[in-house]
Amino acid sequence: GENVEQHPSTLSVQEGDSAVIKCTYSDSASNYFPWYKQELGKGPQLIIDIRSNVGEKKDQRIAVTLNKTAKHFSLHITETQPEDSAVYFCAAGGAGSYQLTFGKGTKLSVIP
Amino acid sequence: DSGVTQTPKHLITATGQRVTLRCSPRSGDLSVYWYQQSLDQGLQFLIQYYNGEERAKGNILERFSAQQFPDLHSELNLSSLELGDSALYFCASSVSVLAGVSYNEQFFGPGTRLTVL
Repeated sequence: GENVEQHPSTLSVQEGDSAVIKCTYSDSASNYFPWYKQELGKGPQLIIDIRSNVGEKKDQRIAVTLNKTAKHFSLHITETQPEDSAVYFCAAGGAGSYQLTFGKGTKLSVIP
Repeated sequence: DSGVTQTPKHLITATGQRVTLRCSPRSGDLSVYWYQQSLDQGLQFLIQYYNGEERAKGNILERFSAQQFPDLHSELNLSSLELGDSALYFCASSVSVLAGVSYNEQFFGPGTRLTVL
């Protein structure tokens, strides 16, 4: 089955700096890669996703890049703000299967 | 607010007991997924239902079962509870397929925190 590795497990950045979280996946059939943000006491919230026919996608301060050859994808957050502090999860899903396999999460702390 | 609702928010019970967690998907979503989130295991996929039928199974124990009803709400039943079953249980929903197009986006509910004493 699919295996998703996520790094780092914790990340601290100064407010205004950029944050990068990286994930690798094992199943070359996976073609959907979402990112979720989970705040304390809440459910994961979908913040951005990318499909395998696209190399990069941006939404304001958030961007995701995908390298299909290397089987890795990354989340980039620019101009970080204290409200970006949360746990971020990457996931991978495949065609014909709507099941998602999640990474173990990255706890991002933005220091004011 | 994702539009997915889960009840109850918190549940405290004893070992050996049985509980039922309930999930109502977003309006129009046909698929429901159940996940278990514990500190050491992250988000683990348990089971998926699509329009009332079981579609996929993940790391779901035999003591656990689920169903999706005609109105598309779903219930996760956990029996013979053990201390290790204490975790957050999330339900997610998605459209899955609409007009022949596949959609993978899953939207999560707020979760049920289960504590087994």
